[in-house]
Amino acid sequence: AQSVAQPEDQVNVAEGNPLTVKCTYSVSGNPYLFWYVQYPNRGLQFLLKYITGDNLVKGSYGFEAEFNKSQTSFHLKKPSALVSDSALYFCAVERGNEKLTFGTGTRLTIIP
Amino acid sequence: NAGVTQTPKFRVLKTGQSMTLLCAQDMNHEYMYWYRQDPGMGLRLIHYSVGEGTTAKGEVPDGYNVSRLKKQNFLLGLESAAPSQTSVYFCASSGPNGGTDTQYFGPGTRLTVL
Repeated sequence: AQSVAQPEDQVNVAEGNPLTVKCTYSVSGNPYLFWYVQYPNRGLQFLLKYITGDNLVKGSYGFEAEFNKSQTSFHLKKPSALVSDSALYFCAVERGNEKLTFGTGTRLTIIP
Repeated sequence: NAGVTQTPKFRVLKTGQSMTLLCAQDMNHEYMYWYRQDPGMGLRLIHYSVGEGTTAKGEVPDGYNVSRLKKQNFLLGLESAAPSQTSVYFCASSGPNGGTDTQYFGPGTRLTVL
């Protein structure tokens, strides 16, 4: 069965510093990996995805993520955090069964 | 385009009551999904549909039923609500490539069962 883990419930970063939100996955075969963001009282919004090709994926709002097959990771990164990046971030994985499996989420707080 | 809309936004039910949540999308998407979001558990898939007239069970289907009579609508029903069904419910839709396509989410329905 496919699964995804977000080991940190909460990440705090000072404004202007680089940020990383961690995600590891477990699937058989090649994974399809996604990051979504949820702002308060809103639905999830798509940030980026990895299907195949270049391991570094660039997405919305200056975010990027690196697919690392050997470490089964897909960490979300941004070089310079903004206060407006504060939100709940979800990693998700799909492996050919039409269904996404979501992680439990990481709450990112950017401190001014 | 409105994208994905959900009705109602909030609802309070008593144990044993029934209700239907409506999801509508105007993107002509084939796939539609119902999730529930609970603190510390992320999103869990309840039911999904790969096209008009089709439905399939997700991770946590018990106590829920769904119907997809029209391509643009996906209904989630609770026949006899229980306090364990207190949650925030999200609908999503995606294009013909299923799992590799981006999912577009509605704003959510906050349901409380007393």
